[in-house]
Amino acid sequence: GAVVSQHPSWVICKSGTSVKIECRSLDFQATTMFWYRQFPKQSLMLMATSNEGSKATYEQGVEKDKFLINHASLTLSTLTVTSAHPEDSSFYICSALALSASTDTQYFGPGTRLTVL
Amino acid sequence: GDSVTQMEGPVTLSEEAFLTINCTYTATGYPSLFWYVQYPGEGLQLLLKATKADDKGSNKGFEATYRKETTSFHLEKGSVQVSDSAVYFCALTEAAGNKLTFGGGTRVLVKP
Repeated sequence: GAVVSQHPSWVICKSGTSVKIECRSLDFQATTMFWYRQFPKQSLMLMATSNEGSKATYEQGVEKDKFLINHASLTLSTLTVTSAHPEDSSFYICSALALSASTDTQYFGPGTRLTVL
Repeated sequence: GDSVTQMEGPVTLSEEAFLTINCTYTATGYPSLFWYVQYPGEGLQLLLKATKADDKGSNKGFEATYRKETTSFHLEKGSVQVSDSAVYFCALTEAAGNKLTFGGGTRVLVKP
């Protein structure tokens, strides 16, 4: 159980275009999902917290107008990179929070590698 | 604020060697602690977790014990395999539903 999928797994786009990345919790409902960015050989940087039915909470320094997040249902959150530029090239990883009686655990998607030409 | 410090890699081992990855944390409350593993080109997978002091998390031969007195959560495995080659992340969360704070990651390479 607790599987999270991301689509696409990789994408190449031209500078100036927008790219949408989907994050789905396949076998559980997630009121909260998180979006991370990971640079090569580095740790994960939290970009934003996505809450179902409300606006996302962005971390300091993350442009909310550039990285649009929509948490439309209890199993789907999307990240849209608008007007992408080469510096947006990165590995984007989402996670979904699975609630339980004892503790909450984040389960991660496999990641999406974005390359902006 | 919260922080997680783990030993820098890369750690290079021979198959069947003993692995230890040190992790210490700073937190204001009583966090839950996690180890995640990332295989090449993939996202993170939860390896094990512990939610209170003296809890031991274990999975796939890996173990880590929540030590409140030393604020540590060291990861150990008695006999590593080539397939254990990956990057390992120590992480904590202060409260239910809160964001994770990650350590910098430790790359482990196991040679045959």
